[in-house]
Amino acid sequence: AQRVTQPEKLLSVFKGAPVELKCNYSYSGSPELFWYVQYSRQRLQLLLRHISRESIKGFTADLNKGETSFHLKKPFAQEEDSAMYYCALRAYNFNKFYFGSGTKLNVKP
Amino acid sequence: NAGVTQTPKFQVLKTGQSMTLQCAQDMNHEYMSWYRQDPGMGLRLIHYSVGAGITDQGEVPNGYNVSRSTTEDFPLRLLSAAPSQTSVYFCASRPRENEKLFFGSGTQLSVL
Repeated sequence: AQRVTQPEKLLSVFKGAPVELKCNYSYSGSPELFWYVQYSRQRLQLLLRHISRESIKGFTADLNKGETSFHLKKPFAQEEDSAMYYCALRAYNFNKFYFGSGTKLNVKP
Repeated sequence: NAGVTQTPKFQVLKTGQSMTLQCAQDMNHEYMSWYRQDPGMGLRLIHYSVGAGITDQGEVPNGYNVSRSTTEDFPLRLLSAAPSQTSVYFCASRPRENEKLFFGSGTQLSVL
């Protein structure tokens, strides 16, 4: 069965510090992984996807198939990064997305 | 464009009552889906649809019905509400050629 695990419910860092939000997955096929973000009073929105190998708002995420991980990283956190972050996996039939339980990032001034 | 519109934003029901959560999108997306968000459990897929007339179950479909008579609308029906259905419900859509999900603003439902 597909499963996405985000072990940290809350992550607090100071502005300018590096941040890493952990995501581990279990999936028998070739995964497609995403990070979604929900800022306060805004809708859930796509942050980045592993296929694109892009950096969005300074965030990057690398798919590590050996460790079955897709951790989200940013070298220097900003206060505006404070939000709820969800890791998500799209299943083989492309129609089912599985979300982790989310990590609340709090960036302190 | 309005994107994905959910109504109502808030709803309180008594156990046993029925209601329909509305979801509409104006982006001509083929795929639509419903999630519930519960503390510590993230978003769980309830039902989804890959086009008008086609629906399928997600992870937690029990107690919910859906239909897709048009491309634009994907209502979620609670036939007999239970306290366990207290949650925040999100509707999401995406085009066939893209895996990016577009979310509605959510419906906060309380069942007493």
